[in-house]
Amino acid sequence: AQKVTQAQTEISVVEKEDVTLDCVYETRDTTYYLFWYKQPPSGELVFLIRRNSFDEQNEISGRYSWNFQKSTSSFNFTITASQVVDSAVYFCALSEGDYGGSQGNLIFGKGTKLSVKP
Amino acid sequence: EAGVAQSPRYKIIEKRQSVAFWCNPISGHATLYWYQQILGQGPKLLIQFQNNGVVDDSQLPKDRFSAERLKGVDSTLKIQPAKLEDSAVYLCASSTWTGGDEQYFGPGTRLTVT
Repeated sequence: AQKVTQAQTEISVVEKEDVTLDCVYETRDTTYYLFWYKQPPSGELVFLIRRNSFDEQNEISGRYSWNFQKSTSSFNFTITASQVVDSAVYFCALSEGDYGGSQGNLIFGKGTKLSVKP
Repeated sequence: EAGVAQSPRYKIIEKRQSVAFWCNPISGHATLYWYQQILGQGPKLLIQFQNNGVVDDSQLPKDRFSAERLKGVDSTLKIQPAKLEDSAVYLCASSTWTGGDEQYFGPGTRLTVT
């Protein structure tokens, strides 16, 4: 069965600190996709990144970076030089990628609440 | 490009009453999803449509929840009768296709059942 675990329930940092949000996933599929979404206090889920199971290259986007390691079934997210505006709940999610059946629906972790204090 | 629209944003009802939520996906998106997000948890899929057909409704409590997507565009989700445990945020999302495409979410409808 598919499962996503975000062991960190809440993290609190001071502005400009680096912070890493952990995500561990379980799936028996060979083709799958991993996602990170941000949910600010307004409530709307904002897409951050998608990574497919065949692409283990790390990705950097500004202050955000993602580390995908199939060997440990992890897809961790690092924010460098955190800012107050980064305060939100961050969700890691997994979806099947194979055609046929019910694919595409996202299996979410429970989320990590990040608080960045000035 | 307009995002996913949902209404109402907030709804308070008493248990055993009925309620309906509306969603209009991003133009051209064939796939539409309804998720339920209970406070402190990640969203959980209720139903997935591909155009106007149901792809997955295995987690939809069909004795009280129903959903439709007539003409393959906008969609309604209904609860009848509501229970206290239905208090949650109901999120609608859409994507261009199903297998692994990113989903874009609407602002959600916060339902409180008293």
